[in-house]
Amino acid sequence: AQRVTQPEKLLSVFKGAPVELKCNYSYSGSPELFWYVQYSRQRLQLLLRHISRESIKGFTADLNKGETSFHLKKPFAQEEDSAMYYCALTQGGSEKLVFGKGTKLTVNP
Amino acid sequence: DVKVTQSSRYLVKRTGEKVFLECVQDMDHENMFWYRQDPGLGLRLIYFSYDVKMKEKGDIPEGYSVSREKKERFSLILESASTNQTSMYLCASRSRDRGFGELFFGEGSRLTVL
Repeated sequence: AQRVTQPEKLLSVFKGAPVELKCNYSYSGSPELFWYVQYSRQRLQLLLRHISRESIKGFTADLNKGETSFHLKKPFAQEEDSAMYYCALTQGGSEKLVFGKGTKLTVNP
Repeated sequence: DVKVTQSSRYLVKRTGEKVFLECVQDMDHENMFWYRQDPGLGLRLIYFSYDVKMKEKGDIPEGYSVSREKKERFSLILESASTNQTSMYLCASRSRDRGFGELFFGEGSRLTVL
């Protein structure tokens, strides 16, 4: 069965510090992985997907199939990055997206 | 601007009541989803629909049913609400084109069952 694990419920960093939100998955095939973000009082929205290999708002995430991880990183956190972050996975051809339990990031001034 | 609209932002119901949560999307998306969002549990899929009148159970369908009579509308029904169904309910839609595209979410419906 597909599973997404985000080991940290809460993560707190200071402005300007590097931040890494961890995501590990269990799936034997070739997954598609995503990061979704929910800012306070806003709807959940896509941040980035691994197939795009892009940087959004300074965030990047690399799929490591050997370690089955898809950690989200940003070298210099900003206060506006404070939000709830969800890692999500789907398998090829599936109609379903499976979410992790989420990590609440707080960036302190 | 793409839009998924959930008709009720906040609802308070009593145990045993029948509850309807409505969701409408204006993007002509084939797939629509209902998730519930609980602190510490993340998002869990209740039901999804890949076409009009088609539905499939998600991971936690017990106590819920759905209806999709028109492509743009997907309803979640709680036949007899219980206190453990107090939660935030999120509707989402996506296009089936070109692999697993982006999920677009509504603002959520916060349901309290007393």
